[in-house]
Amino acid sequence: GENVEQHPSTLSVQEGDSAVIKCTYSDSASNYFPWYKQELGKRPQLIIDIRSNVGEKKDQRIAVTLNKTAKHFSLHITETQPEDSAVYFCARGGSNYKLTFGKGTLLTVNP
Amino acid sequence: DSGVTQTPKHLITATGQRVTLRCSPRSGDLSVYWYQQSLDQGLQFLIQYYNGEERAKGNILERFSAQQFPDLHSELNLSSLELGDSALYFCASSPSGERNTQYFGPGTRLTVL
Repeated sequence: GENVEQHPSTLSVQEGDSAVIKCTYSDSASNYFPWYKQELGKRPQLIIDIRSNVGEKKDQRIAVTLNKTAKHFSLHITETQPEDSAVYFCARGGSNYKLTFGKGTLLTVNP
Repeated sequence: DSGVTQTPKHLITATGQRVTLRCSPRSGDLSVYWYQQSLDQGLQFLIQYYNGEERAKGNILERFSAQQFPDLHSELNLSSLELGDSALYFCASSPSGERNTQYFGPGTRLTVL
């Protein structure tokens, strides 16, 4: 189906450390993989996305990698800062336009 | 600020009532998506409109309906409200040239008492 599994559900790191969040999907027709950051009571904010013809994409301290064969993709945040603390959602999209979201990861960056 | 606007920000109503949530997409975006976010269900896709036409449907209840108007704003109508309908309702819009890329509005928090 179009389900997305996201792990871990919570992640606590020290400021300056790296954080990695992983998602797996099952639908081979998936071709778009965005990541959203959501602060408490706020809207999901698109922070980075990758399409299936690319294996890795980087934007400053955040990067996303995609392994189409294994059907998983990951978000990497380096040099974490307290303002990175939020819930992060992965999602997958395909030809039917809708996005299917993972359950979210609560990231806490401790100063 | 994503450029997507939603009104109202908060809505408190009683069971059995009907409410209308409004969304204006980013300038130039033809697609509008509606999502429901609750603690136990996460972000659930409800329905998508493209240039006034329904394009995709998700887990939308029969008590819920939506439409997109010629000026491209969209409304989500929720009727016969139940306690379990309390949630954050988000609208998102998508540029025509960037399939799937969705930018979310600030949401409407619905509380059903």
